[in-house]
Amino acid sequence: QKEVEQNSGPLSVPEGAIASLNCTYSDRGSQSFFWYRQYSGKSPELIMFIYSNGDKEDGRFTAQLNKASQYVSLLIRDSQPSDSATYLCAVRAQGGSEKLVFGKGTKLTVNP
Amino acid sequence: DVKVTQSSRYLVKRTGEKVFLECVQDMDHENMFWYRQDPGLGLRLIYFSYDVKMKEKGDIPEGYSVSREKKERFSLILESASTNQTSMYLCASSPGGSQPQHFGDGTRLSIL
Repeated sequence: QKEVEQNSGPLSVPEGAIASLNCTYSDRGSQSFFWYRQYSGKSPELIMFIYSNGDKEDGRFTAQLNKASQYVSLLIRDSQPSDSATYLCAVRAQGGSEKLVFGKGTKLTVNP
Repeated sequence: DVKVTQSSRYLVKRTGEKVFLECVQDMDHENMFWYRQDPGLGLRLIYFSYDVKMKEKGDIPEGYSVSREKKERFSLILESASTNQTSMYLCASSPGGSQPQHFGDGTRLSIL
């Protein structure tokens, strides 16, 4: 059974700080990695995706992938109260399947 | 922008009823997915479809069926609704080729 693990939190950071969200996955052959943000009562919204080892930056968000360690992270710089949400990590396995395996999410609270 | 539209935001049905949840996407995506999301259990895949009239079971298909007669529309059917099917139902679509999935707003279904 392919698994994606996230610290459920809650993770609490002050406004302006860097929030670091972590995710590990069990399938070494996984190819694609996605971060979604989900506000309470709303549906998941795509934040970032990354396919290659290293860092990928988009505005205040940076995704980091280390396939050797089976680890993907999301950094949020200059955190804002509006970043308070649950962040879901999702992983697509190798072999051409379009299915994603989701972690259960990390709840982030940014305190003003 | 990708638009995935689910027919209802909130729905209340009675046990034993046949329930239809509809999902339409406007981006000519090949793949469509139905998930349910429950507190503490995360997102779980019910069924997905990779082409018209094609479907594949996800992790929890029992008690559900699906229909995809046209590329843009994917329906989830609860054959005989039960109280344990009370949940948030999320539809998603993707173009394939490891591209991200995009979600609709969700349907919060209550079975009484």
